[in-house]
Amino acid sequence: EAAVTQSPRNKVAVTGGKVTLSCNQTNNHNNMYWYRQDTGHGLRLIHYSYGAGSTEKGDIPDGYKASRPSQENFSLILELATPSQTSVYFCASGERTSYAEQFFGPGTRLTVL
Amino acid sequence: GDSVTQTEGLVTLTKGLPVMLNCTYQTTYSPFLFWYVQHLNEAPKLLLKSSTDNKRTEHQGFYATLHKSSSSFHLQKSSVQLSDSALYFCALIEAGYQNFYFGKGTSLTVIP
Repeated sequence: EAAVTQSPRNKVAVTGGKVTLSCNQTNNHNNMYWYRQDTGHGLRLIHYSYGAGSTEKGDIPDGYKASRPSQENFSLILELATPSQTSVYFCASGERTSYAEQFFGPGTRLTVL
Repeated sequence: GDSVTQTEGLVTLTKGLPVMLNCTYQTTYSPFLFWYVQHLNEAPKLLLKSSTDNKRTEHQGFYATLHKSSSSFHLQKSSVQLSDSALYFCALIEAGYQNFYFGKGTSLTVIP
């Protein structure tokens, strides 16, 4: 079965600090995605990637960077964390076809104080 | 406007009753529609998907039909169970593109 893992699962950060959220997938999928989930907004796409070395901006990229150093790993980086970035973050992977299912990781709960 | 619209934010139903969760979409391209389900403190998982006009697709007792004429992909079940309590997301991908548009979700609560 598809396996997407995220670390850490919970993180408390201070305003202005740097936060890195990591995602690993063992599905050998080309595409990977970062979403945040907030009540009333559903899932919103932050960044995505078509493969190692590629990153693309999603719907809400401001304040976030992404890095895809390998097929398996996709990181989300908050250089200067703000309280508005308190949220639950999901990573997902999927094959590079229009009809492909996305497989989600367990999520990371980030609190920025 | 939103690419995917789910009109109900919260739905509460008694066990055994039918349910329909609405999903409409906007796109100028050929659409692929999905329903994802997220149980409490879990990750979203695919429930069902479709790209074929006017063909019903079913999974785990849920079903939906893509109607391109009305840009709709409503999720239905004839008899809800307590275990169906979850957050349901409708999602759209446009043919040739790689990113998803998710609706805001509908929270379904089934009571005894």
